[in-house]
Amino acid sequence: DAGITQSPRYKITETGRQVTLMCHQTWSHSYMFWYRQDLGHGLRLIYYSAAADITDKGEVPDGYVVSRSKTENFPLTLESATRSQTSVYFCASQDSGRGPGELFFGEGSRLTVL
Amino acid sequence: QKEVEQDPGPLSVPEGAIVSLNCTYSNSAFQYFMWYRQYSRKGPELLMYTYSSGNKEDGRFTAQVDKSSKYISLFIRDSQPSDSATYLCAMSDRGNNRLAFGKGNQVVVIP
Repeated sequence: DAGITQSPRYKITETGRQVTLMCHQTWSHSYMFWYRQDLGHGLRLIYYSAAADITDKGEVPDGYVVSRSKTENFPLTLESATRSQTSVYFCASQDSGRGPGELFFGEGSRLTVL
Repeated sequence: QKEVEQDPGPLSVPEGAIVSLNCTYSNSAFQYFMWYRQYSRKGPELLMYTYSSGNKEDGRFTAQVDKSSKYISLFIRDSQPSDSATYLCAMSDRGNNRLAFGKGNQVVVIP
């Protein structure tokens, strides 16, 4: 099916472990984004990418690493998970031909760090 | 001060009522204004998209932008239980794909 998919949908891990959240889109959109959503904070941008091999920091990048070797994939890695990274993570994509803000979001990955 | 302020609610209304949501912002460079709808345990989906000031209507939904007051609104007419969701405002300046989101406003429409 076309669209944007995230995996895993649910993940429980322990402090200090490395975790990778996957994001795959089938539209060949240029832009991809990673957000986290927390009560009291709303959606906050972690990293974004304008194209393959081009990434940039967002509002809350510390403790996260991204890569984008292919246009359709944009994995997010927590190198050493901390409890404060317990959150719901959303991946989104945007066609470069559309206006800023016309994002398509995935269903989210719920991460719990014990 | 956050760039975008949105009262998180929650807001409960009876079916058929008009729902009124709003956001204020501080960055006068914002020109693109969005409303996203997010159902429980789902990702946000774009509901309304407005460029610059003015009104935009789409079915039961109306988005208003008042740039002079730095204030945007979303109205839902004849609200339905299926409108129960969290509504997030978002905005951006020209050429910038980094959106500023409000915290979201939970709406419950009671049958």
